Amino acid sequence: GAGVSQSPSNKVTEKGKDVELRCDPISGHTALYWYRQRLGQGLEFLIYFQGNSAPDKSGLPSDRFSAERTGESVSTLTIQRTQQEDSAVYLCASSSQGAHSGELFFGEGSRLTVL
Amino acid sequence: KQEVTQIPAALSVPEGENLVLNCSFTDSAIYNLQWFRQDPGKGLTSLLLIQSSQREQTSGRLNASLDKSSGRSTLYIAASQPGDSATYLCAPRLNKLSFGAGTTVTVRA
Repeated sequence: GAGVSQSPSNKVTEKGKDVELRCDPISGHTALYWYRQRLGQGLEFLIYFQGNSAPDKSGLPSDRFSAERTGESVSTLTIQRTQQEDSAVYLCASSSQGAHSGELFFGEGSRLTVL
Repeated sequence: KQEVTQIPAALSVPEGENLVLNCSFTDSAIYNLQWFRQDPGKGLTSLLLIQSSQREQTSGRLNASLDKSSGRSTLYIAASQPGDSATYLCAPRLNKLSFGAGTTVTVRA
């Protein structure tokens, strides 16, 4: 596609439910990142995928968060047993080059509201 | 851990003025640095990417400088317009991008 695509754009869920957020990177981009942005705050790194290498999960805040990516395609971020503090915009970004050199392009984000 | 500071936190100027946005970071062993803008309720739009070997990068009215050794980057926006109103984010990269809190710019018509 022309850009990074994320779905859903908005998700409202009840506390304790599981949610899945999807990211379609730019075709051919090998690197994919997930970030979280709480209201009025900066971006927090969550997880990074680079090709077939083991992902960098160092930013995941708890074991309720997990993410998968098959090859260089779609990624899903799953949050289990959602809590109100999980409410945020979840942003995905992709890059055409390796870990250190490429320009990152972001999607519009998935806004999650946990009631 | 990379710490990124952006000064000022907010800036309001009349149309036509030049803007100077400052970014400092604690770990200078970066591979590159990227500047983004973020409009309210939107994702991030990439403005400029400066590789660690470069001193500056230009795109239209935008110019970004990088002094890697001192851990500083500056974004200059010439002849500001109301459409430049947004939050500007600086992101130096080690093994991942780290973000500052941003500078919120308002350009008054």
